[in-house]
Amino acid sequence: KQEVTQIPAALSVPEGENLVLNCSFTDSAIYNLQWFRQDPGKGLTSLLLIQSSQREQTSGRLNASLDKSSGRSTLYIAASQPGDSATYLCAVGGTSGSRLTFGEGTQLTVNP
Amino acid sequence: EAGVAQSPRYKIIEKRQSVAFWCNPISGHATLYWYQQILGQGPKLLIQFQNNGVVDDSQLPKDRFSAERLKGVDSTLKIQPAKLEDSAVYLCASSRLLTEAFFGQGTRLTVV
Repeated sequence: KQEVTQIPAALSVPEGENLVLNCSFTDSAIYNLQWFRQDPGKGLTSLLLIQSSQREQTSGRLNASLDKSSGRSTLYIAASQPGDSATYLCAVGGTSGSRLTFGEGTQLTVNP
Repeated sequence: EAGVAQSPRYKIIEKRQSVAFWCNPISGHATLYWYQQILGQGPKLLIQFQNNGVVDDSQLPKDRFSAERLKGVDSTLKIQPAKLEDSAVYLCASSRLLTEAFFGQGTRLTVV
């Protein structure tokens, strides 16, 4: 059974700081990994999708890496802004189109 | 491209009552997911459809929860009878096979 862990559970940083969010998973037989953002009371917004054959994906100030063999992914946010404050969720897609398994999320607060 | 549509956005019911949620996925997306997200936790998969067939319903409490996806498009999720612990946000998502998943805004259910 796939288990996904996100560390830290909460993070508070001053504006402008670069930061890293961590995601680890127990079963390396994954098809893809997706990072989402969730604002309070809202649904999930997809940020980045990494296929299992890829090492990283970039979108603007966001960079996600994947090390499938060690069961780890990181989300790097450069020059953080107060608008980045949200909960960030990592989800792992199993092979053969099986379920997306989520971590518990990291609640990020960027202080002006 | 229109996103995943869900209704209603909010619902308050008394325990032992029944409730139904509706989801309209993105056009052309064969895979449809229903997730339950309890406050402070990551989403948990309830059921996954591929077209109108069930791929994974291993975590669906089948004594009270049911879901269907007629004609491989819209889907409904029903709870009957509801319990206090069913209070959560119910998220619907869709994707093309083995690709990026997109989520709706969710339905916040409160059982009193």
